[in-house]
Amino acid sequence: NAGVMQNPRHLVRRRGQEARLRCSPMKGHSHVYWYRQLPEEGLKFMVYLQKENIIDESGMPKERFSAEFPKEGPSILRIQQVVRGDSAAYFCASSPRTIYEQYFGPGTRLTVT
Amino acid sequence: KNEVEQSPQNLTAQEGEFITINCSYSVGISALHWLQQHPGGGIVSLFMLSSGKKKHGRLIATINIQEKHSSLHITASHPRDSAVYICALNTGTASKLTFGTGTRLQVTL
Repeated sequence: NAGVMQNPRHLVRRRGQEARLRCSPMKGHSHVYWYRQLPEEGLKFMVYLQKENIIDESGMPKERFSAEFPKEGPSILRIQQVVRGDSAAYFCASSPRTIYEQYFGPGTRLTVT
Repeated sequence: KNEVEQSPQNLTAQEGEFITINCSYSVGISALHWLQQHPGGGIVSLFMLSSGKKKHGRLIATINIQEKHSSLHITASHPRDSAVYICALNTGTASKLTFGTGTRLQVTL
């Protein structure tokens, strides 16, 4: 049973470009979470999705950031017009239900130049 | 004040020592998690607790709901235990996790 998969593992973007981060949850998991870890800081919640629904986006910046988890395919975290402050590690986690152990992907390290 | 506090922030131990990492929180929770973040950045879930005590190999996690406190113990520590250990909460009925700032553990020979 493959774990949570994220790609790309490393992404370099110039200021103003778009970044698309993908997350494939573990098989059988319908709950996906995105977390961000800024350099030398702790993990922070961004968004929680179930298939085709955003359940909680209270941690997501209001502008430039969006997330989806379509019926088919991976969850996507999209950052438009990236700025240097978006440079961070973005982790996806999945679980089979709420209030349950979460399984983390390896993360995508975004560098904005 | 952060909802979840960990201590110590940094910890150095010699191989074989017994290690304790503490987590205190100030809100109602439905569960508490202990996570391990490897030097390469990967995150592994070690325990999820809502009461009592759990043990896995050399790792033991306890929680006291009344005192709003949890501890992670590592017995017979080994250099491969060197990592950042993170306490995280399901606050209230929320499914998302709220994280402590982590404890950086270095185990030397």
